[in-house]
Amino acid sequence: GAVVSQHPSRVICKSGTSVKIECRSLDFQATTMFWYRQFPKQSLMLMATSNEGSKATYEQGVEKDKFLINHASLTLSTLTVTSAHPEDSSFYICSARDVKPEGWGGRHLGYTFGSGTRLTVV
Amino acid sequence: AQSVTQLGSHVSVSEGALVLLRCNYSSSVPPYLFWYVQYPNQGLQLLLKYTTGATLVKGINGFEAEFKKSETSFHLTKPSAHMSDAAEYFCAVSPTGGSYIPTFGRGTSLIVHP
Repeated sequence: GAVVSQHPSRVICKSGTSVKIECRSLDFQATTMFWYRQFPKQSLMLMATSNEGSKATYEQGVEKDKFLINHASLTLSTLTVTSAHPEDSSFYICSARDVKPEGWGGRHLGYTFGSGTRLTVV
Repeated sequence: AQSVTQLGSHVSVSEGALVLLRCNYSSSVPPYLFWYVQYPNQGLQLLLKYTTGATLVKGINGFEAEFKKSETSFHLTKPSAHMSDAAEYFCAVSPTGGSYIPTFGRGTSLIVHP
């Protein structure tokens, strides 16, 4: 089945530095990837939708200059947390839309998630 | 617009008992429906999904869910709970076209007692 690899799984960084999180689709082409933030004991909060070859679409309230998203290829999307602060500490998860190439638009099979990245800013 | 309501933030069952996690959705058209499971500090794993066809969907680990259009529900069940089923469960809906952006419920924490 579809596999999404997310790295790193854990990262600790100093306040003011930047951190890059990678999300790769290993056995399928992901034209659309989603980036989520999850607070303890809460649901996933969609931060942005990343489309290959175009600018990401950010949800309301998400600072695009702080959370830089790049989707340069059909298998890789990255999220860079710039000038990180302790309040950015969270669990970040990516997911990719799994589409079976079948006719126009393909057949939507669901979403495959990465294993998440625990970011701690000290 | 679409939304998902998961009734009960916590569900507690004894090992071997029936598991029932409730999910109701709101959507202008019948959506695609999903259940995901999340273990601590991990991503989400797909349990099962409904897109088209049979309304009773069987998934992994003995779980199943039934899409009931008239009740706008997609409840998750398992006949006999196992200790390893203790986790967070999320119901999600997605549109059947366009951006396919999913909407997740708030999650239900399943607690299994020995």
